[in-house]
Amino acid sequence: EVQLVESGGGLVQPGGSLRLSCAASGFTFSSYWMSWVRQAPGKGLEWVANIKQDGSEKYYVDSVKGRFTISRDNAKNSLYLQMNSLRAEDTAVYYCARDGGRGFINWFDPWGQGTLVTVSS
Amino acid sequence: SSELTQDPAVSVALGQTVRITCQGDSLRSYYASWYQQKPGQAPVLVIYGKNNRPSGIPDRFSGSSSGNTASLTITGAQAEDEADYYCNSRDSSGNSVVFGGGTKLTVL
Repeated sequence: EVQLVESGGGLVQPGGSLRLSCAASGFTFSSYWMSWVRQAPGKGLEWVANIKQDGSEKYYVDSVKGRFTISRDNAKNSLYLQMNSLRAEDTAVYYCARDGGRGFINWFDPWGQGTLVTVSS
Repeated sequence: SSELTQDPAVSVALGQTVRITCQGDSLRSYYASWYQQKPGQAPVLVIYGKNNRPSGIPDRFSGSSSGNTASLTITGAQAEDEADYYCNSRDSSGNSVVFGGGTKLTVL
């Protein structure tokens, strides 16, 4: 069974840092791009970042550039999101998702269950 | 970057057909994918590419596209289809990804 399990969420003060992890199983992790997608409480989905199979390419939404870093460890079948200088507006459920398709098509399947990050004093 | 626009809410009578649309300039170059999200759950992919359904998605779900508009059609909507639906595609740069704001589907 293809599965993604996030961890590392929690309550953090504004300006603080947090590292999210995503453990993948049931597929060849090193063969896929991977993404983080977030959803603020009661709001829609927002793509955050993605990373190429070998980590050589990374892309970010403008609002997190310079603050968040996506990385992966293919030997451990794991994806990470280092979040620094956190702001209240970063409060969201963060989902890890397998990033499928290239060229003219992009899709996310499957998704993890999500981990909640709350930025508040 | 670019934006994808969806109607905030749509309703359909049980057993009838409903179309949910997604508009954006990026859709002139890239295909849309569609996700279903029920309360408290992670999104689930229902349509990707031209009109492809992942394994396990009922064939009442279909996708289409014309110009800058992509559509998700549910033919014979069921009570269990009541959910939020999101579209996504690559943005105009081809490297980043954008989501629509979501459409809340109510099955009457």
